[in-house]
Amino acid sequence: RKEVEQDPGPFNVPEGATVAFNCTYSNSASQSFFWYRQDCRKEPKLLMSVYSSGNEDGRFTAQLNRASQYISLLIRDSKLSDSATYLCVVKPNNNDMRFGAGTRLTVKP
Amino acid sequence: NAGVTQTPKFRVLKTGQSMTLLCAQDMNHEYMYWYRQDPGMGLRLIHYSVGEGTTAKGEVPDGYNVSRLKKQNFLLGLESAAPSQTSVYFCASSFWNTIYFGEGSWLTVV
Repeated sequence: RKEVEQDPGPFNVPEGATVAFNCTYSNSASQSFFWYRQDCRKEPKLLMSVYSSGNEDGRFTAQLNRASQYISLLIRDSKLSDSATYLCVVKPNNNDMRFGAGTRLTVKP
Repeated sequence: NAGVTQTPKFRVLKTGQSMTLLCAQDMNHEYMYWYRQDPGMGLRLIHYSVGEGTTAKGEVPDGYNVSRLKKQNFLLGLESAAPSQTSVYFCASSFWNTIYFGEGSWLTVV
């Protein structure tokens, strides 16, 4: 079983749609959680951290469920510019970050 | 503001050749990493360093060596390249919980 698992997609949605991505992780001792965004042939960049209480940044909302070892990302009012691959990232210890394979999103006009 | 810089960006190697990927960061970060990214696999950690003069193995270290002689530089070496090492390689450095990536190095081994 992979340490971090994501639905690879692709998710194809119209502009203005709401889309949700899920991620599960296997290491119950993991301490920190993140969503990264990666554009085609570019490096990953931090989108947002994920806190136990849930957190929101504009149209993006991240949730963490430690009991179920589950992380989610919700994007509201999708824009064309949201088209990218979204990587779920888990930090099992101070020295390491484990990446999911990513979920590809395409937002269409 | 350079951040993390990798060289070369593209390289084609023949099986058995050796090469070194160079990574430099100007943010004074202690932690540095080398990842490879393959389709469907996500980023996998090859080696990492928690400070000058230190290195440690990650998930997929076989066939690679690293050195961190200076804090700002982290070198990844392929001693005898194999087709299975065809991949995109990302160097990164981190501070607290934020990891900063270089632009990637596309390596093809034929």
